Amino acid sequence: NAGVTQTPKFQVLKTGQSMTLQCAQDMNHEYMSWYRQDPGMGLRLIHYSVGAGITDQGEVPNGYNVSRSTTEDFPLRLLSAAPSQTSVYFCASSYTTGEDSPLHFGNGTRLTVT
Amino acid sequence: GQSLEQPSEVTAVEGAIVQINCTYQTSGFYGLSWYQQHDGGAPTFLSYNALDGLEETGRFSSFLSRSDSYGYLLLQELQMKDSASYFCASPRVEAGTALIFGKGTTLSVSS
Repeated sequence: NAGVTQTPKFQVLKTGQSMTLQCAQDMNHEYMSWYRQDPGMGLRLIHYSVGAGITDQGEVPNGYNVSRSTTEDFPLRLLSAAPSQTSVYFCASSYTTGEDSPLHFGNGTRLTVT
Repeated sequence: GQSLEQPSEVTAVEGAIVQINCTYQTSGFYGLSWYQQHDGGAPTFLSYNALDGLEETGRFSSFLSRSDSYGYLLLQELQMKDSASYFCASPRVEAGTALIFGKGTTLSVSS
């Protein structure tokens, strides 16, 4: 099993451009989520999904959209990139939505917006 | 609001024992999880405490006290490879598994 796969690993965007960060898991996990990590800020929740067709906002959702059309995929869309969105983005999934279900993280996408 | 507070840095030497504390403020507390992240890597799950008390997993142990709104991660027989960032996390009150993370504690282990 590949686990949680994120693409691309690195991306540079100009202000105003849009792009989609891909996330796929092959573990039949019910729950998927996106975090951003900035120095000294820990991991902040952007959006999450408890199953196909269901998404909800996290702590810092502004400027991002998500959809969950299949169990496997959970793409994150940046609508109009801003320098404040320069960050490392992690996708994570877990088998169930129970609080005792560990999160499995992808290797991250390092995004720079100039 | 909901927040988890932990020290930003801890240093120790090989073979020592170190404790990383986590205090939380939340209106509805669930369990407490710990994750490890090596520099440049993905966070990985270490432990989860659903109830008060100590959970032991090899050299790592995790403790939770709901009455004190407090937990800690205890690392014994420290090795150089334990140098990493450690995050405590708890479920977001409004959203089940959606975890809220502390800002992380950077552990530096020296020889």
